[in-house]
Amino acid sequence: NAGVMQNPRHLVRRRGQEARLRCSPMKGHSHVYWYRQLPEEGLKFMVYLQKENIIDESGMPKERFSAEFPKEGPSILRIQQVVRGDSAAYFCASSVERDYNEQFFGPGTRLTVL
Amino acid sequence: TQLLEQSPQFLSIQEGENLTVYCNSSSVFSSLQWYRQEPGEGPVLLVTVVTGGEVKKLKRLTFQFGDARKDSSLHITAAQPGDTGLYLCAGAEEYGNKLVFGAGTILRVKS
Repeated sequence: NAGVMQNPRHLVRRRGQEARLRCSPMKGHSHVYWYRQLPEEGLKFMVYLQKENIIDESGMPKERFSAEFPKEGPSILRIQQVVRGDSAAYFCASSVERDYNEQFFGPGTRLTVL
Repeated sequence: TQLLEQSPQFLSIQEGENLTVYCNSSSVFSSLQWYRQEPGEGPVLLVTVVTGGEVKKLKRLTFQFGDARKDSSLHITAAQPGDTGLYLCAGAEEYGNKLVFGAGTILRVKS
């Protein structure tokens, strides 16, 4: 399966704990994007990364959220001290370097904060 | 911030009927993508349109990109129950890399 992989698929955390979401892009893709889908809302952009660089984090909350895409290994979206409002589906997408930015999505991680 | 308005929000039709979903914006996009999303899954890419006025066909689905690259439509001919799902349009910013999503259209095709 050469698609975008995300794990875990479901994650339950208590308020104040940390959540780590992982994304492995499609083979040959060097661009990774994270989106969040809140209940009853559409997909919202969070951050765009290339290997070892954050290119655009304009959609990321300023506090508690961070993202990385190291030289080796998957991209990680990290949420510290989670609150109930962080409960959502988090999707990762990847693309090759093209002019029109065709993005392919993973199955998502459903985060539930108790 | 670019916005993409998608309509209708809900659509319930009988098998065999035709339907059209619209996405409109006041902003120009470098490309526009249509996705379909099943419950509990990620969006699956159906098509990407790039050139103003472009029309692409995928079996019973016809996608069109407006001449000014600000709007798009998805037309389904002779809808089937298997077409039931959430359809999303997403525009790629002209000078950026992120996708701006419409709110989605929930389609239900009754047999």
